Amino acid sequence: QQQVKQSPQSLIVQKGGISIINCAYENTAFDYFPWYQQFPGKGPALLIAIRPDVSEKKEGRFTISFNKSAKQFSLHIMDSQPGDSATYFCAASMMNAGNMLTFGGGTRLMVKP
Amino acid sequence: EAQVTQNPRYLITVTGKKLTVTCSQNMNHEYMSWYRQDPGLGLRQIYYSMNVEVTDKGDVPEGYKVSRKEKRNFPLILESPSPNQTSLYFCASSRSWASGSSTDTQYFGPGTRLTVL
Repeated sequence: QQQVKQSPQSLIVQKGGISIINCAYENTAFDYFPWYQQFPGKGPALLIAIRPDVSEKKEGRFTISFNKSAKQFSLHIMDSQPGDSATYFCAASMMNAGNMLTFGGGTRLMVKP
Repeated sequence: EAQVTQNPRYLITVTGKKLTVTCSQNMNHEYMSWYRQDPGLGLRQIYYSMNVEVTDKGDVPEGYKVSRKEKRNFPLILESPSPNQTSLYFCASSRSWASGSSTDTQYFGPGTRLTVL
């Protein structure tokens, strides 16, 4: 079974709107939660990441919100732009178990002009 | 330019014909790994390597082999490919095996789309 569940599978947002992607995990030993962005024909690239000792991390228009008690985390893209159209993956890993990332199923985001 | 390269980028083959997908990184990274990407399943790790001559299984290792004889190269071998191995494959590398910071982030190659008929 998938240890990290991601929703929605696809998302359409108007330019300037807020895109929200949610992930839930099961393994409480996970202690590092990165988000990856993937453009067509390219490999995933790290976008932003969070550790469970903070509830929120913001980098530019991208914000991760983390709820440890609910075992959920989400990516918010403010002022979404057509250039943000991509597939987004949440992931989780355990620091003491090497660099093994467990990925969510991905969300295909389309931002309409 | 720091990068992870994979070859070939596209491959169509037939069941049972052995193939190798090469992966090379020029960043002197210790850690390398292989993932397969399937719709709705995200990326799943096949094998990883913490350093030269040190490899271990990921989540979906069946039907695959790897080797790490040199630090920069980490080829993925399919001894007898089957149609259920049709997928998009990514190689990745990171500075170290210790996750938890952006300095240990995994850099991904451009992908190899494999079709097994």
